[in-house]
Amino acid sequence: ETGVTQTPRHLVMGMTNKKSLKCEQHLGHNAMYWYKQSAKKPLELMFVYNFKEQTENNSVPSRFSPECPNSSHLFLHLHTLQPEDSALYLCASSQGDSYNEQFFGPGTRLTVL
Amino acid sequence: QKEVEQNSGPLSVPEGAIASLNCTYSDRGSQSFFWYRQYSGKSPELIMFIYSNGDKEDGRFTAQLNKASQYVSLLIRDSQPSDSATYLCASPGGSNYKLTFGKGTLLTVNP
Repeated sequence: ETGVTQTPRHLVMGMTNKKSLKCEQHLGHNAMYWYKQSAKKPLELMFVYNFKEQTENNSVPSRFSPECPNSSHLFLHLHTLQPEDSALYLCASSQGDSYNEQFFGPGTRLTVL
Repeated sequence: QKEVEQNSGPLSVPEGAIASLNCTYSDRGSQSFFWYRQYSGKSPELIMFIYSNGDKEDGRFTAQLNKASQYVSLLIRDSQPSDSATYLCASPGGSNYKLTFGKGTLLTVNP
C-alpha cells in the first residue's frame, strides 16, 4: 500500500448504528487530519493529530469521536449520527504543519438513513 | 474569521484556451496559498503552492499572488479536457495545522 488509504470506501448506516472509519498513511508523516466534504460547502477541517496528540477539534459534535493510536493510523468513530452528517469524509496527512502539502486519502462516502 | 472565497462556477472554456481561476481572502496576514485539483469522485491533489508576491510557473500552470489586493489566481494555459475538475484554493494559518479551503471552482474544458 502506498500513500493514504481509507476504509471503507462507502458506508450506509442508520441513525442508531455505531461504525468506525479507518485511515492509514504510509508516508512517514507526523500529522493526520479528518475533513468533511459536503456538496456546495468548503472542505471542513474536523480534527488534527500531530504525533498522536490532538491539536485541533474544530467544534465537532461529540457523535464524532477520533482516535489516533500512532502516527500512521487514524480512526473516526461514529454513533447516533444524523442524516445531515451524510458526506464524504477525507483523511489527510502531512509532514510538519499546514504550510506543508497535505496528501489526501480516497475518502469514505457516508450515507446516514 | 479567516475566509477564502472562490466563484463556484461552473467555468467553461474551449480546449486550448487559457482558464483563469480566482480566489480572494480576508486575512491580510495570510502568507501562502495552495491550489488543489479534485476530479469528480476523487480526493484533492496539490498542483501549486505560492508564498510570495508575483507569479510562479509550473508547466501549463501559473499561480499569481497579489497580497495588496488579497487575491490569488491560477492560470491554466492550453487547457485540455483532462483539466476538467474542481479547483480548490486553500490558505494555512489560524493555527499551526489549520488549512482553510474555499468552496472550489468547477472548470469544464470543452473539446
